[in-house]
Amino acid sequence: EIVLTQSPGTLSLSPGERATLSCRASQSVSSSYLAWYQQKPGQAPRLLIYGASSRATGIPDRFSGSGSGTDFTLTISRLEPEDFAVYYCQQSKTFGQGTKVEIK
Amino acid sequence: QVQLVQSGAEVKKPGASVKVSCKVSGYTLTELSMHWVRQAPGKGLEWMGGFDPEDGETIYAQKFQGRVTMTEDTSTDTAYMELSSLRSEDTAVYYCATATPLVGAGAFDIWGQGTMVTVSS
Repeated sequence: EIVLTQSPGTLSLSPGERATLSCRASQSVSSSYLAWYQQKPGQAPRLLIYGASSRATGIPDRFSGSGSGTDFTLTISRLEPEDFAVYYCQQSKTFGQGTKVEIK
Repeated sequence: QVQLVQSGAEVKKPGASVKVSCKVSGYTLTELSMHWVRQAPGKGLEWMGGFDPEDGETIYAQKFQGRVTMTEDTSTDTAYMELSSLRSEDTAVYYCATATPLVGAGAFDIWGQGTMVTVSS
């Protein structure tokens, strides 16, 4: 069973800063099935990135995904106030434990 | 525009069963592969099971094998998830989620609003 480990657990940043979130798989996985989600309190998750690097419909271009094999990254180039949330990576039937991006 | 609308919150006693519904609009259920994901209070996302189009059958996470049943009523485009032998640890928000042809398999671009299930004596 594949395990996804996200780091860091919490990222404290200011608006306008760059956020770099990591997702590491316990074994090599297909990039086609690597996705990233954003979740805000009381809301369902929202798909940001699928296929490791493709932005979902309506997602601003400040969000980008990269990586292959076991190491994947979600980058938010300049944090907007609405970007402070929890982010999850997913590979098929497995989710990472999440990274919280909070206001510093 | 695909939309998933779930049934309302439930309160159940330990040992009981719960059945959550998820109505599809904008597509027919046969065009989608429906999955169910849950989230305990303050915790992360946990995949419970879903339809695997490659095998043509519903697969369940090993953790829920024997306790969960996912069904579909194509006449009403409604998916169901039934969880039995409930215990307090099953208290969670349950989501239905699916992938439209825009993103293909492997990611869920459409989610229901969630159904809170509380298990308490």
